[in-house]
Parts: sequence; structure tokens; C-alpha cells
Amino acid sequence: EVQLLESGRDLVHVGGSLRLSCRVSGLIFNNFAMSWVRQAPGKGLEWVSTISGSGGDTRYANSVLGRFTISRESHRDMVYLQMNNLRPEDTAVYYCAALHGYSVYEPVDHWGRGALLTVSS
Amino acid sequence: DIQMTQSPASLSASIGDTVTLTCRASRYIIDYVAWFQQTPGKAPRSLIYGGRNLQRGVPSRFSGTASGTDFTLTITGLQPEDFGTYYCQQYNNYPFTFGPGTRVDVK
Repeated sequence: EVQLLESGRDLVHVGGSLRLSCRVSGLIFNNFAMSWVRQAPGKGLEWVSTISGSGGDTRYANSVLGRFTISRESHRDMVYLQMNNLRPEDTAVYYCAALHGYSVYEPVDHWGRGALLTVSS
Repeated sequence: DIQMTQSPASLSASIGDTVTLTCRASRYIIDYVAWFQQTPGKAPRSLIYGGRNLQRGVPSRFSGTASGTDFTLTITGLQPEDFGTYYCQQYNNYPFTFGPGTRVDVK
């Protein structure tokens, strides 16, 4: 069974930084691209970032470009989202997601339970 | 960016009903559409990819069609666990974009 486990909920002040973590199990980690998708309170889903199976191809939403960095650590089966210069509009549940294959052009197959980030002013 | 629209925004249905949800892309995206289900307080669940391919473990009462810009998700014989919000997403071009969702609730 595939399991994705994000780091716990957090409260950060405006302008602060946080690194989200996601531990992956139940699949051959290097064979799958990974994404982060967020959902603001009461709102819909918003794609944030994707990294290929090799880590060599990364993509970002315009709303986080230059502030967020996605990375992966193959020997630990972990994916990360480093978030800097946080804004109130970054408040959301952040979902870790495993894609259908190696490329960044794949759909999401599996979802984590989500981690709540609150950015307070 | 490719815009995804969904209709209706919400609908009410009864157990056993057949419901069809529609998603439209602002540009041609072949069949690079996925559908997701989300029940309140839970993470999304992947249902369909490639416009019509069921994810593993998804019941056969779910089905999808794809025609380049117009996509549908049909639930044949609605079950209690099917009530929730359904999102489509295009993965043909970055940034990948979601539709606003269709909420399916109990009539």
C-alpha cells in the first residue's frame, strides 16, 4: 500500500520560512515524480510544485516561484517543500502527491493526508 | 494558463441516481484530464486519468469521457460514499490547473 506522510501542522509568521516534509512508502521512490498541491480554507485545489523522478526537472506555480523550492532525497524516500517569505495567502492544507510515472507530465495517483500551514500576521 | 471550468457548481441527487459532471478546458488538451473526489475533511482521492482510465480500486460505477476540450465524469448508481466535491485537472501544460469543483450532495 502506498503511503504519503506529511509533516505536522505549523504556525509561521508573515515573512518566515518553513520546510514541509513528506515520507513516501509502498512504491519505488525514484520511479515517480512528486508534487505538492494546496487547499486554502474553504477553497478548491491549487497545484504548487512538481519534481521529476530524477529530481532534474522542477516546476512551480507563479504564485510561489522564487519563494518555494521543491527537492527530494532518494536514499530516504523523502520529498520536501522549502517555503520562504511566507504570506497570509499561503495559509492552506498542503498535500504531498505521487504522480503516475517518472515525468513531470503525469497525473496524480496517490495523496497524503495533508499538513496545515497557517501564516499569521 | 489553461482555464478549467466545471458545471454544474453543485447538484443534489439521491442514492441510485446517475449523475454527470462536466469539465471544459479553455484550450485543446487531448485527453490529459484527471478527476478527483474529495469528501469533507479528507484528502482528495484520484478517480480517473487520461480522461477515461479508472485508477486502481475505483468502482466501475465511475466512468469518464474525453474529447479534447470537453470532459465528463459519470457516476452510475450513486452510493452514500460518493457525496462530496469533484475536481477535474488538466496535466497537458504547466501550470497544471484544477477546475473549481462540483459539489454533489444529498437531495
